Amino acid sequence: DSGVTQTPKHLITATGQRVTLRCSPRSGDLSVYWYQQSLDQGLQFLIQYYNGEERAKGNILERFSAQQFPDLHSELNLSSLELGDSALYFCASSDRGGGYTGELFFGEGSRLTVL
Amino acid sequence: GENVEQHPSTLSVQEGDSAVIKCTYSDSASNYFPWYKQELGKRPQLIIDIRSNVGEKKDQRIAVTLNKTAKHFSLHITETQPEDSAVYFCASSREGSGGSYIPTFGRGTSLIVHP
Repeated sequence: DSGVTQTPKHLITATGQRVTLRCSPRSGDLSVYWYQQSLDQGLQFLIQYYNGEERAKGNILERFSAQQFPDLHSELNLSSLELGDSALYFCASSDRGGGYTGELFFGEGSRLTVL
Repeated sequence: GENVEQHPSTLSVQEGDSAVIKCTYSDSASNYFPWYKQELGKRPQLIIDIRSNVGEKKDQRIAVTLNKTAKHFSLHITETQPEDSAVYFCASSREGSGGSYIPTFGRGTSLIVHP
């Protein structure tokens, strides 16, 4: 168990809809990262938050947005969904501020299927 | 930005053989190189990492080597077992504080160990 919790585990929705994926980081971790993993694809970095602030953006579509709340949990919002958005979305956390190792701790992922 | 190339994309070996996966990176300032193992349907998990101040690190049957001059690093698995079958991802990043750690992942290598 990595200590990172993601909900929901599975989600099936239709094109054009909007969904929200939730992540609770490992206790004490300040950084939250979102990754997208499509079939036979690697881990595509979407966005990173650190202590409530956006720190870095990767290949995140304009239809997608995220935020990190004061309690450090994060949400990834995906709107106007398309078939190609079907993927496994991972949240990862790291960085307790002081004892920082660089290791990412991944959640179990949220599998999104767009029909 | 950083670019990480990983080869091969698929590697098939017989149980007991050795397996080698290679990665190259582009950012000479990168100083932290983790390897993650992702079993089918599971989350990626760190199996070994190396920092730029050492050239090799071992942990039982797995080892990682780093050549900073050539900007490449490799994962070596000896005496492979069926449970080693998984997708392996290399990554590269600069360690830092304040949420400045953004790992770039390779596209992954699917290792298949035949009994």
